[in-house]
Amino acid sequence: QVQLVQSGAEVKKPGSSVKVSCKATGGTFGGTFSSYAISWVRQAPGQGLEWMGGIIPMFGTTNYAQKFQGRVTITTDESTTIAYMELSSLRSGDTAVYYCTRGVRFGEILGPFDYWGQGTLVTVSS
Amino acid sequence: DIQMTQSPSSLSASVGDRVTITCQASQDINTYLNWYQHKPGKAPKLLIYDTSNLETGVPSRFSGSGSGTDFTFTISSLQPEDVATYYCQQYDIVPLFGPGTKVDIK
Repeated sequence: QVQLVQSGAEVKKPGSSVKVSCKATGGTFGGTFSSYAISWVRQAPGQGLEWMGGIIPMFGTTNYAQKFQGRVTITTDESTTIAYMELSSLRSGDTAVYYCTRGVRFGEILGPFDYWGQGTLVTVSS
Repeated sequence: DIQMTQSPSSLSASVGDRVTITCQASQDINTYLNWYQHKPGKAPKLLIYDTSNLETGVPSRFSGSGSGTDFTFTISSLQPEDVATYYCQQYDIVPLFGPGTKVDIK
């Protein structure tokens, strides 16, 4: 059973940073973690889905949405098949559920997303 | 920047009805268009990729068509379990989701 398992909910102060993890397990996915892109998508309360950026673990190639450039860092640890998303300079508008998701195609960040994590609620509040 | 619009923003239909959602891109995106189903408290689910390809395991009542700037998503016979918000997503340059269409049962 292929799974993306994310870390738990976080409550952060404005101006701080948050780092959310996403562990890939199961089936053949675990053996091919490096080959497929991991992206991060968020959904703020009452809002739609918003792509933040992605990474191809094998190449370390990243692609970030312009809106988040300079504030988001996506990394991976191939030895543990974990992807991370760190968002800095948090503000109330960053309160959202954050999802990790896998790209369908080998070596492509932009393609369709098939497997998704369960989501991590990040609340930014003073 | 590419803009995505969806219509309607919400709809209510009866079980068994045919439901159609449209998605329009502000510029030509070829067939780089996907459709997702999103239920509250759950992760989004890929239904259709590259405009018209049904993801493995997705019921055949879901379908998609279109090219260029205009795309259509259809549920041929609405079922109670189809209550969700549906998003189109283009990935011609960077992934961008449409605003979503909330589907309810009448």
